Amino acid sequence: GQQLNQSPQSMFIQEGEDVSMNCTSSSIFNTWLWYKQDPGEGPVLLIALYKAGELTSNGRLTAQFGITRKDSFLNISASIPSDVGIYFCAGEDNTGGFKTIFGAGTRLFVKA
Amino acid sequence: GAVVSQHPSRVICKSGTSVKIECRSLDFQATTMFWYRQFPKQSLMLMATSNEGSKATYEQGVEKDKFLINHASLTLSTLTVTSAHPEDSSFYICSASENRDYGYTFGSGTRLTVV
Repeated sequence: GQQLNQSPQSMFIQEGEDVSMNCTSSSIFNTWLWYKQDPGEGPVLLIALYKAGELTSNGRLTAQFGITRKDSFLNISASIPSDVGIYFCAGEDNTGGFKTIFGAGTRLFVKA
Repeated sequence: GAVVSQHPSRVICKSGTSVKIECRSLDFQATTMFWYRQFPKQSLMLMATSNEGSKATYEQGVEKDKFLINHASLTLSTLTVTSAHPEDSSFYICSASENRDYGYTFGSGTRLTVV
């Protein structure tokens, strides 16, 4: 089945640093989504990307939908302690129903 | 924005009993809802797609008789874990979408512990 490879698995950074994480797939997705999950909570949508090559920002977050439709990255600029959490990429396959496949997640730790 | 309410947030039950988890779209109608399972430090695994007024679609390897899904209205889907066993202990999360252009909204999850 379809799989997403998300990296890195975890990151330990200093407050103020920029962060970059990415997802790749062997399959094409029509939509790429980035979520953040806090412990014991459901994921919250950060950015949604719908077109190949699309670059979208949400505050300090920037994400891009790869031109091949098989990859996406998320950048966080000037990290702050509340950025701590697990970030998931997700690819959406619109064929035969809207099925969302999640990456394994990137655990971000920010040291003040 | 779209809000999805999931209840209960935590439940502890004895082996052999059944547990029902509710997922409600509070301010929108959702013909489709999704149920996920998440093990500690792992990603979300899609269990099934809940379709209003029809049978749920289960992912490969998910026992439909074990995880009963009922989507009786446009705002409510329920997941019942039947004859629960300790290995069913997990974090269960539902999601729904008000508008495909806005992505999916997740419930806050249910932590199930079977003792």
